[in-house]
Amino acid sequence: DAGVTQSPTHLIKTRGQQVTLRCSPKSGHDTVSWYQQALGQGPQFIFQYYEEEERQRGNFPDRFSGHQFPNYSSELNVNALLLGDSALYLCASSLASGNEQFFGPGTRLTVL
Amino acid sequence: GESVGLHLPTLSVQEGDNSIINCAYSNSASDYFIWYKQESGKGPQFIIDIRSNMDKRQGQRVTVLLNKTVKHLSLQIAATQPGDSAVYFCAENIGGNQFYFGTGTSLTVIP
Repeated sequence: DAGVTQSPTHLIKTRGQQVTLRCSPKSGHDTVSWYQQALGQGPQFIFQYYEEEERQRGNFPDRFSGHQFPNYSSELNVNALLLGDSALYLCASSLASGNEQFFGPGTRLTVL
Repeated sequence: GESVGLHLPTLSVQEGDNSIINCAYSNSASDYFIWYKQESGKGPQFIIDIRSNMDKRQGQRVTVLLNKTVKHLSLQIAATQPGDSAVYFCAENIGGNQFYFGTGTSLTVIP
């Protein structure tokens, strides 16, 4: 039973560029949440997708957008990258009917 | 706004001793909590959870205690091992599976 997977593992971009990160949820899970974790900090909630729609959103600008596909996988898109967007981006999956949330290994984004 | 905080940013224990990691939360409406372990370069790993209708829950070598009166959580690790060295986060869910995380406690186990 595969857990949550994310790609790529690492990514380097320059300011102003756009990036797309990908996530496949744990088998059987239908809800995907994205978090940003800056160095030395706890994860910060970006948004959550369920039934291909954004269901909840944290305090992040519109430069952060996402998508969920019919197979429940998800993408996180960040436009007009800033230096401060450098972080570990985590995907977590869960069941809409449950609370347990499991994380993937994350994508380390570096913006130069 | 809601916040989750940890009393001790760092904790060092001798191998074989018990560890206690504390967490304070501010939202009395939070009804579900998860403790996560995060090793360097990895995503958070689910350890144990507890719902607000419980005071205590035990797992394998871990126990979580919830005191709703003072809005406090603790994670107890029995017979701490070197492999337990990591950053530990408590996360609270106020609804809809949206979780708030604290800054974490770094646990170092001394062999």
